[in-house]
Amino acid sequence: GNSVTQMEGPVTLSEEAFLTINCTYTATGYPSLFWYVQYPGEGLQLLLKATKADDKGSNKGFEATYRKETTSFHLEKGSVQVSDSAVYFCALRGGSTLGRLYFGRGTQLTVWP
Amino acid sequence: NAGVTQTPKFQVLKTGQSMTLQCAQDMNHNSMYWYRQDPGMGLRLIYYSASEGTTDKGEVPNGYNVSRLNKREFSLRLESAAPSQTSVYFCASSELAGETQYFGPGTRLLVL
Repeated sequence: GNSVTQMEGPVTLSEEAFLTINCTYTATGYPSLFWYVQYPGEGLQLLLKATKADDKGSNKGFEATYRKETTSFHLEKGSVQVSDSAVYFCALRGGSTLGRLYFGRGTQLTVWP
Repeated sequence: NAGVTQTPKFQVLKTGQSMTLQCAQDMNHNSMYWYRQDPGMGLRLIYYSASEGTTDKGEVPNGYNVSRLNKREFSLRLESAAPSQTSVYFCASSELAGETQYFGPGTRLLVL
């Protein structure tokens, strides 16, 4: 079946530090992979996505590369800001389902000035 | 553009009461979804509607019913609320099933 395992949080960093949030997946077929971000009190927003192996998704300084050989989609940012404080969710969309997303548990990131 | 809107934002119910959560989207999307979010867990799909006139069960449908009222609106009903249904509920929509989903701000539900 389809599932996503995401790095346990919370993660606390100082401003300008390097960020990695690990995400690995199990899937049948050829999934698409996503990172969503949830700011306090808001709904989820799509941060980036990748639809096939070796694709790199990027947005707002965040990057993630779809690694089929390691079944991973780790989120990285070279220099975090206080405004990046949020909960980050890794998700996959299976190739054989009607758009259903499978989410990881979420990682709370707090960035201190 | 309002995107996906949900009402109410917050609700407190007693065990056994019923209520309907409303969701509407103004993006002319065909597919709509209901998720619940519980502490320490990712979002789990309750029901979805791939297109107007169709609905299907997701991962955790027990205790819920849905209605795709028209292309814009997709409501979630709790017939007899239970404390286990205390959660944050998110509605989402996508242009087509399998396309990028856009989420509403959520409804926080507390069942006592």
